[in-house]
Amino acid sequence: EAGVVQSPRYKIIEKKQPVAFWCNPISGHNTLYWYRQNLGQGPELLIRYENEEAVDDSQLPKDRFSAERLKGVDSTLKIQPAELGDSAVYLCASSIEGDEQYFGPGTRLTVT
Amino acid sequence: GDSVTQMEGPVTLSEEAFLTINCTYTATGYPSLFWYVQYPGEGLQLLLKATKADDKGSNKGFEATYRKETTSFHLEKGSVQVSDSAVYFCALSGESGGSYIPTFGRGTSLIVHP
Repeated sequence: EAGVVQSPRYKIIEKKQPVAFWCNPISGHNTLYWYRQNLGQGPELLIRYENEEAVDDSQLPKDRFSAERLKGVDSTLKIQPAELGDSAVYLCASSIEGDEQYFGPGTRLTVT
Repeated sequence: GDSVTQMEGPVTLSEEAFLTINCTYTATGYPSLFWYVQYPGEGLQLLLKATKADDKGSNKGFEATYRKETTSFHLEKGSVQVSDSAVYFCALSGESGGSYIPTFGRGTSLIVHP
């Protein structure tokens, strides 16, 4: 069974530029999570989807971050415009009904 | 809100030493508790979990017991190996308004020397 797939693995952009991350969860997993992980910290939830519906996005900075999960499968997280403080690893995870989560390898974003 | 507190690392041990990584939590209700491990260059993966008080989760020689009275979920292993070197994250999944909100600790780095 394939795991959670994320792309790209690494991204370097200049501040004020847009960037997008893509996640393909494990087949059959209805819950999808996006996290941000700063260096030396634990993952911080940005948004959680139940199928196509965003059920918790209270931690998502909505002025510059957006996310979508079309058809309840793949998901995209976008930042526009990026700021220096957005440099972090962005993790995607999926689960069945909020049980144990399966994480992707993450996308390491560097904003210069 | 919910929170998880882990002991600061790095924890440095010799091979075959006993390991304890402390984890305490604050949550309303009865959350599920988890330990995740992140090996160098890899994503987080579930190590073990416990869903109710006094449950013991175990995997690969690691154990943790859900202690409601002390709100703790300490990770232990009797004899660590070099291959156990990784970052360990304690986490909880607490219910809020019908949804399960995951909260992670900061992680504890474990370094095992031969």
